[in-house]
Amino acid sequence: QKEVEQDPGPLSVPEGAIVSLNCTYSNSAFQYFMWYRQYSRKGPELLMYTYSSGNKEDGRFTAQVDKSSKYISLFIRDSQPSDSATYLCAMSAAGAGGTSYGKLTFGQGTILTVHP
Amino acid sequence: GAGVSQTPSNKVTEKGKYVELRCDPISGHTALYWYRQSLGQGPEFLIYFQGTGAADDSGLPNDRFFAVRPEGSVSTLKIQRTERGDSAVYLCASSFQMGLAGALQETQYFGPGTRLLVL
Repeated sequence: QKEVEQDPGPLSVPEGAIVSLNCTYSNSAFQYFMWYRQYSRKGPELLMYTYSSGNKEDGRFTAQVDKSSKYISLFIRDSQPSDSATYLCAMSAAGAGGTSYGKLTFGQGTILTVHP
Repeated sequence: GAGVSQTPSNKVTEKGKYVELRCDPISGHTALYWYRQSLGQGPEFLIYFQGTGAADDSGLPNDRFFAVRPEGSVSTLKIQRTERGDSAVYLCASSFQMGLAGALQETQYFGPGTRLLVL
């Protein structure tokens, strides 16, 4: 079993819809949680970064972490065609000094298409 | 400013050959990471450098894979006796690690990757 599980989709929604993306994990050592967006033939780009349970909002994006359930989510409001990409969740354990340890463990990625 | 750059962008080689993949991190970033991404999968960690030394090489799949960062900036991932299963996108990322008094966030900035195809 993989340490991080993510539904690969694909997910297709109409413009303006609310999108929900999810990951579960099994490693209790994970303390830092990230969502990356990856366009075709590009490297991943960081969208959201959280290190505590609860919600974090940034514009149309909300990241949610539930450490007790080992479950994280990303919500996209008012989705746009430009949001069409692969969304990757990523996690890391805590390193020295309380910062995140360098090694990221990624989910499989969810392919999202937002059609006009 | 300039981001992480990787060369070549594409590499086609034959089984059994040796390849080198290069990564130029963002200037001033002390940490450098290599990941491998197979088709339809998320990136998989290979190795992480802090300065010139490998802080964690636990993701290297076997002794055919080796990486160096001799001057703490540019890094080269080396693959000997390539196999068809090595075909993937090899991603490099860099970050600026803050000290204890600094920000907790250490964003990893990724390059566009090198697409390796082993025939």
